[in-house]
Amino acid sequence: NAGVTQTPKFRVLKTGQSMTLLCAQDMNHEYMYWYRQDPGMGLRLIHYSVGEGTTAKGEVPDGYNVSRLKKQNFLLGLESAAPSQTSVYFCASSYDTGGASYEQYFGPGTRLTVT
Amino acid sequence: DAKTTQPTSMDCAEGRAANLPCNHSTISGNEYVYWYRQIHSQGPQYIIHGLKNNETNEMASLIITEDRKSSTLILPHATLRDTAVYYCIVRALNTNAGKSTFGDGTTLTVKP
Repeated sequence: NAGVTQTPKFRVLKTGQSMTLLCAQDMNHEYMYWYRQDPGMGLRLIHYSVGEGTTAKGEVPDGYNVSRLKKQNFLLGLESAAPSQTSVYFCASSYDTGGASYEQYFGPGTRLTVT
Repeated sequence: DAKTTQPTSMDCAEGRAANLPCNHSTISGNEYVYWYRQIHSQGPQYIIHGLKNNETNEMASLIITEDRKSSTLILPHATLRDTAVYYCIVRALNTNAGKSTFGDGTTLTVKP
């Protein structure tokens, strides 16, 4: 049981380049999330998904797109990277959105630098 | 979700119990209290959760006051590896997944 995995672990992009971050979970969770964490700050929700084929905007969605074609995968895309998107990106999944089954399981993060 | 208030930072001596408080005075009856921690550069890690009874697992204990307006996470024998940011969150069933926030948490520093 690998839990939540993220690919890649590190990436350096030039301004204007595009890339896709992959998140995979093997716990059969319905809910998946993408967060960003800037140095010294808390996590901010970018986009989330409540099930296969559905996505929704979080707190800071601008400049990102997501897709969830398979239940176990949640992709985060940057179409035209900007230096302001330099951050650590965390993916998470959970069985429920609250109540007794809200444990979120996080991946190890992707450290992205945009120059 | 009910708002939570935590101290910005705390210190604890290695081997001693670390008691991390959280205030959630507006908590409603169906909201659970969750604790997570984030060790430097890693993804947050679930620690424990509870509704109204005290809870204990292999990592920590959670003490919730009788009125449920505050709680304390207890790490019984803190080690240097427990140095991390600790987040207290309250969540009810069927909460909008988009309201997933972690706040600023408490930075716990365990000192030798």
